[in-house]
Amino acid sequence: DAKTTQPPSMDCAEGRAANLPCNHSTISGNEYVYWYRQIHSQGPQYIIHGLKNNETNEMASLIITEDRKSSTLILPHATLRDTAVYYCIVRVVIYNTDKLIFGTGTRLQVFP
Amino acid sequence: DGGITQSPKYLFRKEGQNVTLSCEQNLNHDAMYWYRQDPGQGLRLIYYSQIVNDFQKGDIAEGYSVSREKKESFPLTVTSAQKNPTAFYLCASSRRQTIGNTGELFFGEGSRLTVL
Repeated sequence: DAKTTQPPSMDCAEGRAANLPCNHSTISGNEYVYWYRQIHSQGPQYIIHGLKNNETNEMASLIITEDRKSSTLILPHATLRDTAVYYCIVRVVIYNTDKLIFGTGTRLQVFP
Repeated sequence: DGGITQSPKYLFRKEGQNVTLSCEQNLNHDAMYWYRQDPGQGLRLIYYSQIVNDFQKGDIAEGYSVSREKKESFPLTVTSAQKNPTAFYLCASSRRQTIGNTGELFFGEGSRLTVL
């Protein structure tokens, strides 16, 4: 399984865009990039995922580089409630082989 | 409401005792997972199950055991062989992964085990 590397922490002003980077240089062609976030002592929450193309939903946007070796999660207008640990994960899509490997994530602190 | 229920939320046990954590889901998901989280750390995979009566070891399975007798249930037993069992345990489920579905993991609220 591919390994991901994220900065341990980042700060962002409320109302500004938060750009969270992730390196996954060993990613394989069939591995999706997923993003989850975890607010203290709760279960992680799904945010978004993608394979090759950029993706957007009501929570965030995901930008994946053309070589797929890195990606960026964008929270367009961060709020205080977005303060959490954000995990970038790769997931293999093969029947009967399916697991997500979480790293240590990026702790995002949104300040007023 | 559909979701995943973990119990108990908090559990205290003496060293050397086996402990079983419950995980039940009513989402009709095929796959279920157990993760362990230590303070300031990411999640580490203990065991996972793709279908009933089948499960695989994750990265840190030693000292743990699971069963998957029903689709809805995936209990985790922390045995006395687990050297450092105090941690936050998270259960998750997902539809069986196929091309085209989101493969989103749904997590429970976790069980915090403290061994005294």
